[in-house]
Amino acid sequence: QVQLVESGGGVVQPGGSLRLSCAASAFSFSDYGMHWVRLAPGKGLEWVALIRDDGSKEYYGDSVKGRFTISRDNSKNTLYLQMNTLRAEDTAVYYCATSTLTDAFDIWGQGTKVTVSS
Amino acid sequence: EIVLTQSPGTLSLSPGERATLSCRTSQSVSRTHLAWYQAKPGQAPRLLIYAASDRATGIPDRFSGSGSGTDFTLTISRLEPEDFAVYYCQQYGTSWTFGQGTRVEVK
Repeated sequence: QVQLVESGGGVVQPGGSLRLSCAASAFSFSDYGMHWVRLAPGKGLEWVALIRDDGSKEYYGDSVKGRFTISRDNSKNTLYLQMNTLRAEDTAVYYCATSTLTDAFDIWGQGTKVTVSS
Repeated sequence: EIVLTQSPGTLSLSPGERATLSCRTSQSVSRTHLAWYQAKPGQAPRLLIYAASDRATGIPDRFSGSGSGTDFTLTISRLEPEDFAVYYCQQYGTSWTFGQGTRVEVK
């Protein structure tokens, strides 16, 4: 069964760091670009970052540029999001997602919750 | 950045009724780059419609999408109990942006 499973969320103080992971299974992970998307309380979905299939290029949303780093390990079928200098407004459920059959996001994980609070 | 505005914010309907959700984009978006998703708490968001009107794998035919340019619509012909959720539109032609969502709730 095609699956993405996020982990690594938790409670962190403002200014702190956290690393999220997304484990992929039952599809050819190394063939596809991977995204992070977040859903903050009371807000809509926000695209966070993309990494190309081979890890050669990364793209970031303006609100996280310079603070977050997306990476991947194709030998482990795992995607990462290193989040530094966290702010209260980064509080959200973070999802990994990918496009396999279409250019839209046709596979999503169930999300991992990040809370930035003192 | 292309801004997507969804309306209404909340739609209160009964099972069996028709739901019509709107998504307006701040600039013209190619039909091939407009999608709709369903989101429920604690679950993975689900792709419903891509390329404005193509149903994703396994999506029932009561879900349909239409529109072009800056105005797009998701229609649920007859609401089933499992359809009460939040729906998001997305453009993926110029970077990736989502609307703020429409909540479909039980009246």
